[in-house]
Amino acid sequence: ETGVTQTPRHLVMGMTNKKSLKCEQHLGHNAMYWYKQSAKKPLELMFVYNFKEQTENNSVPSRFSPECPNSSHLFLHLHTLQPEDSALYLCASSQDPAREETQYFGPGTRLLVL
Amino acid sequence: GESVGLHLPTLSVQEGDNSIINCAYSNSASDYFIWYKQESGKGPQFIIDIRSNMDKRQGQRVTVLLNKTVKHLSLQIAATQPGDSAVYFCAENMGPGGYNKLIFGAGTRLAVHP
Repeated sequence: ETGVTQTPRHLVMGMTNKKSLKCEQHLGHNAMYWYKQSAKKPLELMFVYNFKEQTENNSVPSRFSPECPNSSHLFLHLHTLQPEDSALYLCASSQDPAREETQYFGPGTRLLVL
Repeated sequence: GESVGLHLPTLSVQEGDNSIINCAYSNSASDYFIWYKQESGKGPQFIIDIRSNMDKRQGQRVTVLLNKTVKHLSLQIAATQPGDSAVYFCAENMGPGGYNKLIFGAGTRLAVHP
């Protein structure tokens, strides 16, 4: 256990559905991240939140909408996704967003879009 | 149908042998590097890190070597065990930039045979 939990672990959704992924970190960190890991590409950074403020949007389509209500929780809201969005979505956290340091990952949500 | 996925290089070793996994990084300004291990169905797990003011760092059974001249990073695992079978990723920190941004390599699959 890394101290980062994600729910659900598996999700199947249709292209017209709306769903949300949840991440919670129990490490007292101040930065949280969403990554996408697909079979076709290396691990890709999607969003960065520092002290609840979004500081990076890595050209992610608007059908992915992040939300960070506090430093411990991070959501990824999904709507009208495409089959190519099927992937493992990983959440990570780190202590200090201004420092170069280790990021700790959750187990991921395996998403399948039909 | 399923698209062709990333072809990960595979390193096959016998149990008890030493393993060396290599990684080339892209940015000569990167000054912090991490090795992660990812087992099937899990998120990436931190193994060891190194900063650019060092050439070598040792952990328990693992050693990371950094060659800044050729932008090369390696992970050495001593006395490889079946539990070491996983995909290994190197990551470089693309700072400075006010936040902790990691860029990941494609990964190497380590297969340990009894």
